[in-house]
Amino acid sequence: ELKVEQNPLFLSMQEGKNYTIYCNYSTTSDRLYWYRQDPGKSLESLFVLLSNGAVKQEGRLMASLDTKARLSTLHITAAVHDLSATYFCAVDNYGGSQGNLIFGKGTKLSVKP
Amino acid sequence: EADIYQTPRYLVIGTGKKITLECSQTMGHDKMYWYQQDPGMELHLIHYSYGVNSTEKGDLSSESTVSRIRTEHFPLTLESARPSHTSQYLCASRDLRFAGELFFGEGSRLTVL
Repeated sequence: ELKVEQNPLFLSMQEGKNYTIYCNYSTTSDRLYWYRQDPGKSLESLFVLLSNGAVKQEGRLMASLDTKARLSTLHITAAVHDLSATYFCAVDNYGGSQGNLIFGKGTKLSVKP
Repeated sequence: EADIYQTPRYLVIGTGKKITLECSQTMGHDKMYWYQQDPGMELHLIHYSYGVNSTEKGDLSSESTVSRIRTEHFPLTLESARPSHTSQYLCASRDLRFAGELFFGEGSRLTVL
């Protein structure tokens, strides 16, 4: 059974600082997705990582995928308040119900001045 | 921008009422999903469909039912709402022929009194 673990689950950062959110998963998969959710809103797609070594960057966020280590990272550079949100990673569940994504529990990020 | 729509966005009803949450997408995606999410918490898959006339229960037991008579439409019905059904319900769809990311609707926030 595929399990997806994110850490940390809560992250309080100061503006200008760097930090990394980790997403580990338990079985083989080569598709990983990152989503952002603002309070009271739906999920918005941030990154789609489709192969080992994939790296995507958008503004102050950079995501990478290491399928051999079953690990994805979401790196935040020089955080700003606007990045405060909950970030979810999700992995394709090939071994189980095909076509379904398994989500991590989310990392709630709070960026303070 | 994703073309997936949910109605109603907000609904407050009394215990015992029957409700239907509507979800429509115009992208021609075969795979559609319903997730339940309490504020700031993890997502729970409650129903999914791989195409017309296909419906499956998800990982979280739910007293709701779904139907998929048309590709674009995936409504969720609660025959008799209870306060424990109070939550946000997110509809999503995806197409595995491309990047496979999930596109989410804006959500339906249900409150049962």
